[in-house]
Amino acid sequence: NAGVTQTPKFQVLKTGQSMTLQCAQDMNHEYMSWYRQDPGMGLRLIHYSVGAGITDQGEVPNGYNVSRSTTEDFPLRLLSAAPSQTSVYFCASSLGPAVYEQFFGPGTRLTVL
Amino acid sequence: GDSVTQMEGPVTLSEEAFLTINCTYTATGYPSLFWYVQYPGEGLQLLLKATKADDKGSNKGFEATYRKETTSFHLEKGSVQVSDSAVYFCALSRGNNNDMRFGAGTRLTVKP
Repeated sequence: NAGVTQTPKFQVLKTGQSMTLQCAQDMNHEYMSWYRQDPGMGLRLIHYSVGAGITDQGEVPNGYNVSRSTTEDFPLRLLSAAPSQTSVYFCASSLGPAVYEQFFGPGTRLTVL
Repeated sequence: GDSVTQMEGPVTLSEEAFLTINCTYTATGYPSLFWYVQYPGEGLQLLLKATKADDKGSNKGFEATYRKETTSFHLEKGSVQVSDSAVYFCALSRGNNNDMRFGAGTRLTVKP
């Protein structure tokens, strides 16, 4: 099992550019989430999904879109990148809601200039 | 809203020292509480959890007890090792949704 994989590992964007962060899991987990990690602030939930075709907003959803067409994949789209979106992004998956153990990917470090 | 506050780091200890990392929370109802650990260059991993008051979570020599009266979930280990050097996150989850709130993280460095 590869677990949770994320691509790319590093990315530099210019303000206004768009891009998609990829996340895939091979554990057949229904629940998937995207977090951003900023210094001194811990992880904050951006969007999550409780199954294919079902997504919902987390604590900091503005500027990000998600979709879930398959159980395995949960991409995160930045529509028009801003310097405030410079962060480390983590994808996670779990069998059920957050009371279950969440399995995290290795992260994507994004810099927006 | 729900929130988690943990002691600020960084924390530096010598090998075999006793570790305490304080964590308190604010939430309505009865949240589940967690400690996650992040080793350098990796994603977070679950260290331990407790789902109701007075439960004790334990793993790899680490322990934490869910104290509802003090709204706390402090992490302890009796004798730390160099390999315990990492960032530790306290977190809570309430209800049946996927919303999880993390503390800011505490960086622990253990010196030989």
